[in-house]
Amino acid sequence: SQKIEQNSEALNIQEGKTATLTCNYTNYSPAYLQWYRQDPGRGPVFLLLIRENEKEKRKERLKVTFDTTLKQSLFHVTASQPADSATYLCALGRRGGYSTLTFGKGTMLLVSP
Amino acid sequence: NAGVTQTPKFQVLKTGQSMTLQCAQDMNHEYMSWYRQDPGMGLRLIHYSVGAGITDQGEVPNGYNVSRSTTEDFPLRLLSAAPSQTSVYFCASRRQGADQPQHFGDGTRLSIL
Repeated sequence: SQKIEQNSEALNIQEGKTATLTCNYTNYSPAYLQWYRQDPGRGPVFLLLIRENEKEKRKERLKVTFDTTLKQSLFHVTASQPADSATYLCALGRRGGYSTLTFGKGTMLLVSP
Repeated sequence: NAGVTQTPKFQVLKTGQSMTLQCAQDMNHEYMSWYRQDPGMGLRLIHYSVGAGITDQGEVPNGYNVSRSTTEDFPLRLLSAAPSQTSVYFCASRRQGADQPQHFGDGTRLSIL
């Protein structure tokens, strides 16, 4: 069965460092991958989209890579700030207009001052 | 622009009771979905709709009903609440197009005793 894995342990880093979160998948051929941020008590908020034919996307201090050979996406937060502390979810989607997303469990990022 | 609005924010039910979780969006999005989020699990799709009058089942539809009479509203009905349905429920909407970002509400926290 299809499986999406994100680190279940929280990632603790110091302010100013680069945080790297991992999303691995098996038995899945996604056409695209999305990353969301979720704060406690709130719904997920969309951050970035990367398609299967793209290697890398950037948005301000965020960078996403997508390696369909390794079946992995990496999510980088550069020059991290305490305000970046949140849970980050990856979600995979197939081709097709009615495509539904399959979400990973998320990884919590904690940035300390 | 309110986005996706979910009501109520919190609810406690007794086993066997029924209730409707409300979801409304003001972005004229055709596609709407209901997810549940449980500790240690990713968001799981319950039901979705690709337009008014059209609904389909997701990964975990049992015990839930939906209907979509208008573009704006997508209520989720629990027919006979069970303790296993204790969860946080999120409604989401997006534009047509498989890789369009999902816009989430802030959830309904439901406890069933």
